[in-house]
Amino acid sequence: GENVEQHPSTLSVQEGDSAVIKCTYSDSASNYFPWYKQELGKGPQLIIDIRSNVGEKKDQRIAVTLNKTAKHFSLHITETQPEDSAVYFCAASRAFDTNAGKSTFGDGTTLTVKP
Amino acid sequence: NAGVTQTPKFRILKIGQSMTLQCAQDMNHNYMYWYRQDPGMGLKLIYYSVGAGITDKGEVPNGYNVSRSTTEDFPLRLELAAPSQTSVYFCASSYGGANTEAFFGQGTRLTVV
Repeated sequence: GENVEQHPSTLSVQEGDSAVIKCTYSDSASNYFPWYKQELGKGPQLIIDIRSNVGEKKDQRIAVTLNKTAKHFSLHITETQPEDSAVYFCAASRAFDTNAGKSTFGDGTTLTVKP
Repeated sequence: NAGVTQTPKFRILKIGQSMTLQCAQDMNHNYMYWYRQDPGMGLKLIYYSVGAGITDKGEVPNGYNVSRSTTEDFPLRLELAAPSQTSVYFCASSYGGANTEAFFGQGTRLTVV
């Protein structure tokens, strides 16, 4: 099955700096890669996703890059703000698969943005 | 629009007791999921459903059961609770399967003592 590794497990940055979180996956058939943000006491919420036919996607201060050859994808947050402090999860899954219910999540990165 | 609603939010069970975690969604999503989240860990899939009447095992199904009699509801049953089932449980739903956005409930924090 799929295995997703996420690094680092904790990340502390100064407000205004950039933050980068990296994930690697093992199943070359995976082709959907979402990132979720989980605030304290809440369920995860999708912040950005990328599909395997795209190498990069941006949404304001957030971007995701995908390298299918190396089987890794990264989340980039620029101009970080205190409200970006949260736990971030990456995930990988297959589209159009009989096991389409199965996403594999990384273990999460706790991001702290210091004012 | 309520999204995904889980009840209860907190529960303490004694070893050997049983309970049902409720999950309801009002987005008419076909796919629903149950995950558990242990401290410092990611989400592990317990069971999922691709539509009413259809369920399948995820990564960690032992000790749990599910049913899906309607599109809206996907309850998770714990039989003979064990301390290893202490965790935070999240229900989620999606329109088109794992390759589309999943909407999560707020979670149920379960402690088995």
